[in-house]
Amino acid sequence: EAAVTQSPRNKVAVTGGKVTLSCNQTNNHNNMYWYRQDTGHGLRLIHYSYGAGSTEKGDIPDGYKASRPSQENFSLILELATPSQTSVYFCASGDNQAPLFGEGTRLSVL
Amino acid sequence: QEKVQQSPESLIVPEGAMSSLNCTFSNSASQSIWWYQQHPGKGPEALISIFSNGNKKEGRLTVYLNRASLHVSLHIRDSQPSDSAVYLCAVSIGGGSNYKLTFGKGTLLTVTP
Repeated sequence: EAAVTQSPRNKVAVTGGKVTLSCNQTNNHNNMYWYRQDTGHGLRLIHYSYGAGSTEKGDIPDGYKASRPSQENFSLILELATPSQTSVYFCASGDNQAPLFGEGTRLSVL
Repeated sequence: QEKVQQSPESLIVPEGAMSSLNCTFSNSASQSIWWYQQHPGKGPEALISIFSNGNKKEGRLTVYLNRASLHVSLHIRDSQPSDSAVYLCAVSIGGGSNYKLTFGKGTLLTVTP
């Protein structure tokens, strides 16, 4: 069964700390995406990737890095976390079809 | 950058009624339009998509697309309390390695028993 798994599901971080959000997909999709969802803004694209070794900037990339070491894994990295990055983060995978989303990671930066 | 606007922000309908949700987009070159359903604490799940002008029906769902007016609507017939969720309209741009979705802010649907 197609699946996108995110970890951790919940994370509390301190301002200035480094945070890594992980995503794994078993769908053999080339494209993977990181979105954040905030009240009043909806889902916004941060970074995406079209295959192992590639990362592309989405609409709101500032303050975030991404890493795609393999077909299955796509990470989102906050080198210096700020309170404005408190949000729910969703990973998705999909090729020329409706991306399949994970369950989300709730991140609070204090 | 593609802009996607949804209306209304929230909608309350009684069980058994028709629910009608609207979405407008800014780029006539947009490809497919997707509707997603999102329950609290969960990730969005794709419901139905449309590419060509006209309508598409799947079960209790019907989608209408008018590319000239950049408008798409989703209609849920015989709405059930289990349909209560946030509905997201998403527009696809590009293809292959450039395939991306731009989302609206969503419509919160509440179906009352």
